[in-house]
Amino acid sequence: SQQGEEDPQALSIQEGENATMNCSYKTSINNLQWYRQNSGRGLVHLILIRSNEREKHSGRLRVTLDTSKKSSSLLITASRAADTASYFCATDKEYGNKLVFGAGTILRVKS
Amino acid sequence: KAGVTQTPRYLIKTRGQQVTLSCSPISGHRSVSWYQQTPGQGLQFLFEYFSETQRNKGNFPGRFSGRQFSNSRSEMNVSTLELGDSALYLCASSSGLGSYNSPLHFGNGTRLTVT
Repeated sequence: SQQGEEDPQALSIQEGENATMNCSYKTSINNLQWYRQNSGRGLVHLILIRSNEREKHSGRLRVTLDTSKKSSSLLITASRAADTASYFCATDKEYGNKLVFGAGTILRVKS
Repeated sequence: KAGVTQTPRYLIKTRGQQVTLSCSPISGHRSVSWYQQTPGQGLQFLFEYFSETQRNKGNFPGRFSGRQFSNSRSEMNVSTLELGDSALYLCASSSGLGSYNSPLHFGNGTRLTVT
């Protein structure tokens, strides 16, 4: 079963625009992670945010976490064609020691 | 540092055969996790090893097994292959005690096709 669920399933934007992806989860967590996957390749870690953090930044990426709503969002600002990829959130299940991934958001940035 | 290396990159097998996939983690990483990725089921957790011990296992049949060696390299084996086992198998290593509290570093996967 999947812990995190991303929304939207697919997103198509123009280069230079911002892209926002959302993730909802079911149980309490210790941390939440975001990953990117280019077609047919492995996942690349983007950001890890702990349950006591509300916001984290990394370059053009901003991640927020709202534990009361059990949700997180990933914002990519000033998107580039190279940002075209699938984006996944992943959470550790309560009392579990494994990372469970959501279904992902497919982002297409048109140049 | 070299990244996570998975071999082979592609594999074609027929139903009923068995297959072994290999993963070399980043040097110094002792935790290795395996995931199966399919279009229908997404990323599904298979198992995780730390210092040669299986720490967690996903909901897969006993045909799926794995092990980790003293040098942290890991292998997974699938016996009696079924068509539904066709997938991208991803290995990931991490520096923490478990995959849940530190970033995972993924290899590029092994694409298994079962005919």
